Amino acid sequence: DMKVTQMPRYLIKRMGENVLLECGQDMSHETMYWYRQDPGLGLQLIYISYDVDSNSEGDIPKGYRVSRKKREHFSLILDSAKTNQTSVYFCASSLGTGSAETLYFGSGTRLTVL
Amino acid sequence: GEQVEQLPSILRVQERSSASINCTYENSASNYFPWYKQEPGENPKLIIDIRSNMERKQIQGLIVLLDKKAKRFSLHITDTQPADSAMYFCAASNSGGSNAKLTFGKGTKLSVKS
Repeated sequence: DMKVTQMPRYLIKRMGENVLLECGQDMSHETMYWYRQDPGLGLQLIYISYDVDSNSEGDIPKGYRVSRKKREHFSLILDSAKTNQTSVYFCASSLGTGSAETLYFGSGTRLTVL
Repeated sequence: GEQVEQLPSILRVQERSSASINCTYENSASNYFPWYKQEPGENPKLIIDIRSNMERKQIQGLIVLLDKKAKRFSLHITDTQPADSAMYFCAASNSGGSNAKLTFGKGTKLSVKS
């Protein structure tokens, strides 16, 4: 059963704290993504990873960094979280790096920064 | 990059009527246009897609039209059911080669009333 797993599902942090969001996939997909979803703004790409240690900025990378040390695992890190980073974060993966790849999304992490 | 405009943001229809969602894009090099459906509390899932070598594609009650000249594509749901109530996102891929990424529209909230 193909799956993208995100942990945790819900997270509450205080402003200035560090945040680690984890994502795993069991499909040996090459490419992984981090998106955030806010009402009225849709899905915005934060970072994309084409393979281990091969990461590129998306459309809104400021305030975030990522780590991909194993193909099946992709982490999103917020150093010193801000209240405007309160959002739902989705990890996704796709088989290859081409332009017509199906994205498989995880269940999301709802992050609240107080 | 790519910009994708999606309208309407909210759509309410009666059960068994049709629903239409329209998207426009800016980059004439975009060649892949998927549609994702997100049910409440769930993750987005691919429901249908179209590539630039096609003008029309149908999967059961879902029809996608692509007008490359106008840089416009649309999703039509025929014979809507309450189960079609969800958020719908269009997207466009901004590159014909490798290392491409999808740009999503801001979404349409479809409500089907019985």
